[in-house]
Amino acid sequence: DVKVTQSSRYLVKRTGEKVFLECVQDMDHENMFWYRQDPGLGLRLIYFSYDVKMKEKGDIPEGYSVSREKKERFSLILESASTNQTSMYLCASSLLGRRETQYFGPGTRLLVL
Amino acid sequence: GQNIDQPTEMTATEGAIVQINCTYQTSGFNGLFWYQQHAGEAPTFLSYNVLDGLEEKGRFSSFLSRSKGYSYLLLKELQMKDSASYLCAVRENNAGNMLTFGGGTRLMVKP
Repeated sequence: DVKVTQSSRYLVKRTGEKVFLECVQDMDHENMFWYRQDPGLGLRLIYFSYDVKMKEKGDIPEGYSVSREKKERFSLILESASTNQTSMYLCASSLLGRRETQYFGPGTRLLVL
Repeated sequence: GQNIDQPTEMTATEGAIVQINCTYQTSGFNGLFWYQQHAGEAPTFLSYNVLDGLEEKGRFSSFLSRSKGYSYLLLKELQMKDSASYLCAVRENNAGNMLTFGGGTRLMVKP
């Protein structure tokens, strides 16, 4: 079974803090993704990576950065957290092929005060 | 870019059949996925369509018409545990493995 884990299920941070969200997958997947999910807006792609040290912007990259130093780990960084970044953050991974589904982690619910 | 539409909410009765529709507009279609997401949990894969027609998997089926930009997810013999959100996601050509998701349809199954 594919396993995607995220470092925290719930996180509370203050405005201006630097926030790190970690994601690890154990199936040697090339692709990894970070989404945020908000009511009425669905899942929106923030960044994705198709290889170590490679990254591509998704639909809403502003205010975020990412790091992929190892194949199994993809980190999302909020350089200076703001209240509008309060959301559910979901990490996913997949193999390279176009038929391949994405496997999701359990999510991190982030509250920025 | 893409535009993906699905109903926000649906209600159905245990034992019945429900059809959840998804329409999309894309410049280069390259596959459609359906995911199920229970409240507070991660989305899980249900089905994948890239050619026209019906794909059946037990109680769940998914249909695709590329010419109409239309898909549906059909759930038969509904059970209470089917209460969840159902997410439609589309992949475009030259998008790697990126998906664009619709807003999701929250299905409530009542006894």
